[in-house]
Amino acid sequence: DQQVKQNSPSLSVQEGRISILNCDYTNSMFDYFLWYKKYPAEGPTFLISISSIKDKNEDGRFTVFLNKSAKHLSLHIVPSQPGDSAVYFCAASAGTGNQFYFGTGTSLTVIP
Amino acid sequence: EAGVAQSPRYKIIEKRQSVAFWCNPISGHATLYWYQQILGQGPKLLIQFQNNGVVDDSQLPKDRFSAERLKGVDSTLKIQPAKLEDSAVYLCASSRDSGGTDTQYFGPGTRLTVL
Repeated sequence: DQQVKQNSPSLSVQEGRISILNCDYTNSMFDYFLWYKKYPAEGPTFLISISSIKDKNEDGRFTVFLNKSAKHLSLHIVPSQPGDSAVYFCAASAGTGNQFYFGTGTSLTVIP
Repeated sequence: EAGVAQSPRYKIIEKRQSVAFWCNPISGHATLYWYQQILGQGPKLLIQFQNNGVVDDSQLPKDRFSAERLKGVDSTLKIQPAKLEDSAVYLCASSRDSGGTDTQYFGPGTRLTVL
């Protein structure tokens, strides 16, 4: 049972434009969300997080939006750079002491 | 600060053989995780340790998989005997506290191929 879904396996964006990666979840108990970035042959690297008390969190070029009623979150990257080309995973948990559930990932390609 | 170390990076074995993976977490991190990532899927938690105690092993196939973290630092994950469907990347991660809202730091993973 896939509790966290990333329905777009891949995304291509021109350098300088906005990249929007989407993630949906089914478990209404999830209240903490993370985005990870993964380069080939490396482990995932933490990118940005958001808790359910917020609907937006920003860190430089990266912004995560959370829509609890729709059980949807998105990661915006502005402006996109070629070095952003990687696989992006979203993950969700029901809070302290609970495990994270990961989506299947979206492969982002930023075209120079 | 040194990251999470894992070895070996790659392993190829025949089905029914056994294999072991090693993980050294970030110094001072109390919680250690083993994940299985099958090609095209996201990481799936196999087992979570808090210091040297097991917090969650509900998704660990205990008939063939075992893991230990004897002194609350390094950990090993063993598969015996291996099946074709065990081909995957095995990721180790650590976090400072008990997880859930704590950032997990991942190692580079061990890519296992079972022939």
